[in-house]
Amino acid sequence: AQTVTQSQPEMSVQEAETVTLSCTYDTSESNYYLFWYKQPPSRQMILVIRQEAYKQQNATENRFSVNFQKAAKSFSLKISDSQLGDTAMYFCAFMKPNYGGATNKLIFGTGTLLAVQP
Amino acid sequence: NAGVMQNPRHLVRRRGQEARLRCSPMKGHSHVYWYRQLPEEGLKFMVYLQKENIIDESGMPKERFSAEFPKEGPSILRIQQVVRGDSAAYFCASSLPRSGTLTYEQYFGPGTRLTVT
Repeated sequence: AQTVTQSQPEMSVQEAETVTLSCTYDTSESNYYLFWYKQPPSRQMILVIRQEAYKQQNATENRFSVNFQKAAKSFSLKISDSQLGDTAMYFCAFMKPNYGGATNKLIFGTGTLLAVQP
Repeated sequence: NAGVMQNPRHLVRRRGQEARLRCSPMKGHSHVYWYRQLPEEGLKFMVYLQKENIIDESGMPKERFSAEFPKEGPSILRIQQVVRGDSAAYFCASSLPRSGTLTYEQYFGPGTRLTVT
């Protein structure tokens, strides 16, 4: 069974600085997908960034980028130029691709609460 | 283009009552997922439905919980005889299968927060 681990329950960063959130996972699959979701105080789940395991290039979305290390099963999120609106809970998630009966369910880590300080 | 809608946003039930949570997927989406978030925890998969079919209910508690996604109308997550441990946020997500891809991006609703007193 797949598991996702986020070892940092809370983190803090000054506005305009850079912060990295850690995520490791365990799977025997060779092809899969990884995601970072943001959950602000409104509790809405917002997709931040997505990575396909078969792609070597790290995904980037504006100020958000990932460091995907497949052999180490590590998937960290880097937020550059942190803004007050980035304050939220961040969840790392794993998904098996839809073949062989897999149902595309997301497996989430326990989250990292990020506070951006002014 | 409206997103995933869930109602009610907040629901209070006394122990032993029934809770009905509704989810209207994004327009054109035929796949619905339900997740539960207990306090201080991540989201956990409960059930995956397509129109009129339950595809995977491996995350659903065996008793008191049921889900449906009828041909017409929203998906319903039903919890009978609620207990305090059912207090949680329940999220619905929908997706649109696209040919040629092996994964379907899920779009989440705002969640329903259930409180059992």
